[in-house]
Amino acid sequence: DAKTTQPPSMDCAEGRAANLPCNHSTISGNEYVYWYRQIHSQGPQYIIHGLKNNETNEMASLIITEDRKSSTLILPHATLRDTAVYYCIVRVTQGGSEKLVFGKGMKLTVNP
Amino acid sequence: DVKVTQSSRYLVKRTGEKVFLECVQDMDHENMFWYRQDPGLGLRLIYFSYDVKMKEKGDIPEGYSVSREKKERFSLILESASTNQTSMYLCASSLRVGNQPQHFGDGTRLSIL
Repeated sequence: DAKTTQPPSMDCAEGRAANLPCNHSTISGNEYVYWYRQIHSQGPQYIIHGLKNNETNEMASLIITEDRKSSTLILPHATLRDTAVYYCIVRVTQGGSEKLVFGKGMKLTVNP
Repeated sequence: DVKVTQSSRYLVKRTGEKVFLECVQDMDHENMFWYRQDPGLGLRLIYFSYDVKMKEKGDIPEGYSVSREKKERFSLILESASTNQTSMYLCASSLRVGNQPQHFGDGTRLSIL
């Protein structure tokens, strides 16, 4: 089972910041939070990941709360091409091996 | 950029056929993974491999096998295809050291008739 919960959908206006929330209240101290997105009929695309510090790259920023029970992915200037299903994932180590457990994700629609 | 290439975007096979899905990555990644994606069920891990000739079962290995003879190539095999194996199949790869992200191919949409 996924260790994260996200709202099923969100709308955002083109050019505005999109703030995508994620709850992971059972996260363990050494588990990272990953964000991926999937545009229809393509494979998931890696966006960003972090442990406890805020992270930024050319695609997005990741804000993780101090207690690490939730995080927010920020797309600073959303475009129509950012319309996709976004997955917040906690990477699980199980029996010495790692795996990504994808939940249902959140559909972001960027409107003109 | 990391490139994960799956041999076919669309494939149609018949029940009982032996089906091979091929995946190649060009970044010298140690880890490779096979997932399937179905509506309402999300992505589910079938098999993964940490090194050449090594393989580990994921959550739903039944009806599948894998082969990793070379580091860059990871094959998924449906020994005797069945209609419930109609799905989108996704391959991914990652570096083994540290917490490195998995990078995915564009998937193979497989239909078993």
